[in-house]
Amino acid sequence: KQEVTQIPAALSVPEGENLVLNCSFTDSAIYNLQWFRQDPGKGLTSLLLIQSSQREQTSGRLNASLDKSSGRSTLYIAASQPGDSATYLCAVSADKLIFGTGTRLQVFP
Amino acid sequence: DGGITQSPKYLFRKEGQNVTLSCEQNLNHDAMYWYRQDPGQGLRLIYYSQIVNDFQKGDIAEGYSVSREKKESFPLTVTSAQKNPTAFYLCASSIFSERYNEQFFGPGTRLTVL
Repeated sequence: KQEVTQIPAALSVPEGENLVLNCSFTDSAIYNLQWFRQDPGKGLTSLLLIQSSQREQTSGRLNASLDKSSGRSTLYIAASQPGDSATYLCAVSADKLIFGTGTRLQVFP
Repeated sequence: DGGITQSPKYLFRKEGQNVTLSCEQNLNHDAMYWYRQDPGQGLRLIYYSQIVNDFQKGDIAEGYSVSREKKESFPLTVTSAQKNPTAFYLCASSIFSERYNEQFFGPGTRLTVL
């Protein structure tokens, strides 16, 4: 059974820091991995999707990497801003999406 | 503007009452999904539909029902058989592809049992 874990559960950093969020999964037989952002009381916003054949994807200050063999993905956020404060979720896709419980990020001025 | 809409934003249910949550999309996506989100837990799949007039149970379908009469619409009914329905409900959609199913989400409905 596929399990997805995100560490740390919460993170607080000063503005301007580069930071890394981690996602690990137990079964490497996935089609893709998706990173989402969720603001309090809101739906999920898709940030990046990495196909299983890809190693990384970039969008602006965000870079996501995938190492399928070791069951790991990282989301790198460069030059963090207070507006980046949110919960970040990763999800792996096989026959359905399996979600981690998220990392709650706070960026303070 | 393409997207997914959910209504209402907040919903209150009395014990023993059925309620229906609306989900509409204008992305021309074939597949639609319903998830439930509880504090400290990941999203859990309730039902999904890959094509009109067809749907499958997810991991926690008991106490819920759905219909898919139109491509754009996938309403979720929370029945009185669902013993702990208080949660945040999220609807999503994607193109119908087994290997590439980037999902897009609506704003959610928060259901509270009084």
